[in-house]
Amino acid sequence: DAGVIQSPRHEVTEMGQEVTLRCKPISGHNSLFWYRQTMMRGLELLIYFNNNVPIDDSGMPEDRFSAKMPNASFSTLKIQPSEPRDSAVYFCASSQAGVNTDTQYFGPGTRLTVL
Amino acid sequence: AQKVTQAQTEISVVEKEDVTLDCVYETRDTTYYLFWYKQPPSGELVFLIRRNSFDEQNEISGRYSWNFQKSTSSFNFTITASQVVDSAVYFCAHGSGNTGKLIFGQGTTLQVKP
Repeated sequence: DAGVIQSPRHEVTEMGQEVTLRCKPISGHNSLFWYRQTMMRGLELLIYFNNNVPIDDSGMPEDRFSAKMPNASFSTLKIQPSEPRDSAVYFCASSQAGVNTDTQYFGPGTRLTVL
Repeated sequence: AQKVTQAQTEISVVEKEDVTLDCVYETRDTTYYLFWYKQPPSGELVFLIRRNSFDEQNEISGRYSWNFQKSTSSFNFTITASQVVDSAVYFCAHGSGNTGKLIFGQGTTLQVKP
């Protein structure tokens, strides 16, 4: 079975450019989560969706970040404009249950470098 | 607010030694879930175990075992007869019973030397 798929795996961009990260959750999962991992802050939840609806975006750092989930099999995380401090590994995860804390399965991550 | 503390930043052992990774959590939830994930050098996050707050039975899976004690708010992870392939960063996480959100600890880096 395919796991969570993320693209691209690596992204190098220059400050000020728009960056779009993509995620395909596991089929049948109805919750999707975006995390960011840095050395300083560890793993932090940015936003999560349940049945394609954003439930909690309190972790989104600022207005430069936006996320969408147009359907059950696709989500994007966009940063516009990007800044060097956005450099991190961004993980997408999905789970089956929307209410109870079911197991989240993570994608391989996208390593973003903003120069 | 929920909080997960992994006080051990780095642990180094020699192959075949047993090692215990500590995890202490703070929560106001009556129903919650605890998790362990492994992050090998390749970078992916691999799910290891999920326990709910009503089940304090210890669990064993091969060389891995977990000890959940609500009285001390701890959910410790032991690797028996460690192997080089166990070298990774291990994360403990808390999930609220009604939100689906996970709060991660800072992780413990385990190095197993041959």
